[in-house]
Amino acid sequence: QKEVEQNSGPLSVPEGAIASLNCTYSDRGSQSFFWYRQYSGKSPELIMFIYSNGDKEDGRFTAQLNKASQYVSLLIRDSQPSDSATYLCAVNIGGGSEKLVFGKGTKLTVNP
Amino acid sequence: NAGVTQTPKFRILKIGQSMTLQCTQDMNHNYMYWYRQDPGMGLKLIYYSVGAGITDKGEVPNGYNVSRSTTEDFPLRLELAAPSQTSVYFCASSYQSSTDTQYFGPGTRLTVL
Repeated sequence: QKEVEQNSGPLSVPEGAIASLNCTYSDRGSQSFFWYRQYSGKSPELIMFIYSNGDKEDGRFTAQLNKASQYVSLLIRDSQPSDSATYLCAVNIGGGSEKLVFGKGTKLTVNP
Repeated sequence: NAGVTQTPKFRILKIGQSMTLQCTQDMNHNYMYWYRQDPGMGLKLIYYSVGAGITDKGEVPNGYNVSRSTTEDFPLRLELAAPSQTSVYFCASSYQSSTDTQYFGPGTRLTVL
């Protein structure tokens, strides 16, 4: 069973702080990693993807990947109340599978 | 460009009833997916399709069936509904593989009583 683990939270940070979201995965063959954001009652939307070890930055968002430790994280700088949502980590199962495995998500609340 | 559309938005079924959840995309995507999301849980893949006429099982296919006769449509059939199928169902599509951005529909909230 290929697994993706996330802390369910909730994670609460003050406005302007850095929010750090973490995800571990079990399949060493995984090559593609995604962060989806899901507002309450809405559908998920992709905010970041990362394929290579290291950091990838897009505006206030930074994804970090460490394949040796099987660990991927998402940092949100200058957190805003509009960032309050559940963040889902998704991992492509290795070996050419056409499936993503999603974690349970971490609920983030940014307090004004 | 409507993206991914799903009908109905809400549905209440009685145990043993059947229904079809509709999903249509207008982005000419080859890949389509059905997920279910239980409260406080992530998404579980039910079935997926890599093109018209080709479907395959995901993690939780029992109690469901799919077909893909056209590129645009990917209906999900529930036979003999059970309370365990109470969930929110999301359809998604992506261009050429699961590692392309998956675009999700608005979801169908299904309750089985």
